Amino acid sequence: AQSVTQLGSHVSVSEGALVLLRCNYSSSVPPYLFWYVQYPNQGLQLLLKYTSAATLVKGINGFEAEFKKSETSFHLTKPSAHMSDAAEYFCAVSDRNYGGATNKLIFGTGTLLAVQP
Amino acid sequence: EPEVTQTPSHQVTQMGQEVILRCVPISNHLYFYWYRQILGQKVEFLVSFYNNEISEKSEIFDDQFSVERPDGSNFTLKIRSTKLEDSAMYFCASTQGGGGRSTQYFGPGTRLTVL
Repeated sequence: AQSVTQLGSHVSVSEGALVLLRCNYSSSVPPYLFWYVQYPNQGLQLLLKYTSAATLVKGINGFEAEFKKSETSFHLTKPSAHMSDAAEYFCAVSDRNYGGATNKLIFGTGTLLAVQP
Repeated sequence: EPEVTQTPSHQVTQMGQEVILRCVPISNHLYFYWYRQILGQKVEFLVSFYNNEISEKSEIFDDQFSVERPDGSNFTLKIRSTKLEDSAMYFCASTQGGGGRSTQYFGPGTRLTVL
């Protein structure tokens, strides 16, 4: 069964510092991978997704993630944190080989990012 | 920009009562999902729906749950007899295409509190 693990339920960085949120997946076949962000009292918003051979994926708001098959990882980074980046971030996976009409997402436990002034 | 909407934003109910959570997916989307997130836990898949039938469901989605697309715009989740453990945030999502690479667009959620 597929799963994702997010290391660190809480991450705190200073404004302007590098943001690194970790995600490792477990799957026999490289899956599709997603990062979603949830701001307070809002729904989940897609930041970026990995669905093809391009291993470095750029998303919205200056975020990017690199798919590393050898490490089964899909860590999210941003060179310089802004106060507005404070939110909860979820890594998710879906099955590349699933043959059904729909394809559920399997989420990690989330990482709450705090940005200190 | 089109978005998924959900009503109500917060629902409080007594144990054993029926609740209906409503979602309006993005208008040209064809695939629909419900997820839930119990406080402090991960977001969990409940059910997916396509072509007027359930496509996939999780172990959580037992006989107490049902989904319906009563008209061309709404997608509902019904819980027949709520339990304390049904207290959670419920998210609706929709996609235009099927398959795992399609982006799922999420609504803001309904917080269900069962007393």
